[in-house]
Amino acid sequence: DAGVIQSPRHEVTEMGQEVTLRCKPISGHNSLFWYRQTMMRGLELLIYFNNNVPIDDSGMPEDRFSAKMPNASFSTLKIQPSEPRDSAVYFCASSLAVGPTEAFFGQGTRLTVV
Amino acid sequence: AQSVAQPEDQVNVAEGNPLTVKCTYSVSGNPYLFWYVQYPNRGLQFLLKYITGDNLVKGSYGFEAEFNKSQTSFHLKKPSALVSDSALYFCAVSPPGSGGYNKLIFGAGTRLAVHP
Repeated sequence: DAGVIQSPRHEVTEMGQEVTLRCKPISGHNSLFWYRQTMMRGLELLIYFNNNVPIDDSGMPEDRFSAKMPNASFSTLKIQPSEPRDSAVYFCASSLAVGPTEAFFGQGTRLTVV
Repeated sequence: AQSVAQPEDQVNVAEGNPLTVKCTYSVSGNPYLFWYVQYPNRGLQFLLKYITGDNLVKGSYGFEAEFNKSQTSFHLKKPSALVSDSALYFCAVSPPGSGGYNKLIFGAGTRLAVHP
């Protein structure tokens, strides 16, 4: 398995533009997580899904952020409109939902909003 | 509130010496505990986990961690450090009652620098 695949790896956009980050989890994993990493706040859990259903989105910072998981092999995190303070590395991770299994992380998308 | 503390921003150690990266947690009940490592421009990689049983767990790359329930600690250790161990290390907990979804709460991370 290729692991968790995220795209794009880098994204530079202007303030006010819509940004869409994509994630393909490991086949067979039914939990998916979106994290944001910044120097100031470290790793923050934004939202997680189980069997494509959002379970907890309390970490989503504002209504400008939205996430979807239309099927077991694809998820998106959208920011609209984007702001400079959204600049961060966004990670997607997947795991098996049942039992204390570790999460596998993608390589991340480095977002820069100018 | 549930939290994970990594009290050291950076740990410096000479190659060949033992290393310890500290982690304490504040979670009610019996959480699952994890260590991850992050190399530059990469995602987090799983190192080891504690679920139950023996307090000393062994993981990847010669790392091990010791669970201490009374001190609510889960320190990462390695008997002999390598320069290639230099990276950012994260401690994480999965609180009980997280619905089996393995929701992780991460510490702030500790940068390990191993000098030749």
